[in-house]
Amino acid sequence: GESVGLHLPTLSVQEGDNSIINCAYSNSASDYFIWYKQESGKGPQFIIDIRSNMDKRQGQRVTVLLNKTVKHLSLQIAATQPGDSAVYFCAENGGSNYKLTFGKGTLLTVNP
Amino acid sequence: ETGVTQSPTHLIKTRGQQVTLRCSSQSGHNTVSWYQQALGQGPQFIFQYYREEENGRGNFPPRFSGLQFPNYSSELNVNALELDDSALYLCASTPGGRPSTGELFFGEGSRLTVL
Repeated sequence: GESVGLHLPTLSVQEGDNSIINCAYSNSASDYFIWYKQESGKGPQFIIDIRSNMDKRQGQRVTVLLNKTVKHLSLQIAATQPGDSAVYFCAENGGSNYKLTFGKGTLLTVNP
Repeated sequence: ETGVTQSPTHLIKTRGQQVTLRCSSQSGHNTVSWYQQALGQGPQFIFQYYREEENGRGNFPPRFSGLQFPNYSSELNVNALELDDSALYLCASTPGGRPSTGELFFGEGSRLTVL
C-alpha cells in the first residue's frame, strides 16, 4: 500500500534553530490565510492567521509572511522546540466566506 | 482543547453501509463545518451549516449529507460507503454571528475505516 508521508514535504531542524515552512497558494481571490499545526492523532490546531491587507503578522514565537505578488506564504518558528514537531498546513479562503482550502502539509521534525 | 467534541473516535464499516458521525460545537459557536482528511493529505471541505441550514458545499456527492440541530450540534451522514471514504472526518466550529472564514476550532476527528 501507499506509504504515509512519501509525498509530504519534510523539514528537519535542530532544537533551538529557527524553522521556515513555505506554502504556495493558487487562488488570487484569497484574502485570508491561516496556518494550522496537526500532531499525530489530533485535529488541526490554529497557529496564526493573516489577511491580505497585511504582509507580516507576529505571534508568540511565530511569524507569518505573505507575498501576494508571487502567491507565497511562509511560517517562521523561532527557537524551535521538540513540541513543535508536527505536520503544518497552510490554508486559504479563495474569497469564500464559508470554506478553507488546505495545502498538503509539511512534516516538521525537531531533533533534540 | 477547542471544546469541539466528536463521536465516535474510531469506527469500521463495510462497503455499502451507512454511517453517522456526530459533533458538538464549542459553546456559543453557531457555525459548524465538516472536513474529510485522507491519510497524508490536508483536510478537504465537505459542507458548512449555519442556523440549521447548509451554507456551502464542497465537491462531494449527495450521499454525503448533514444536519445541524437547534443547539448547534451537527451530524454528518454518509450513505453507500465506498473504500475511498476511509478517512479522518473533522468537525470545526466558528465563532461569530454570521458565517465567515476565520479561525476554525477543530475537534479531534472520527477515524472511519471502510472494508
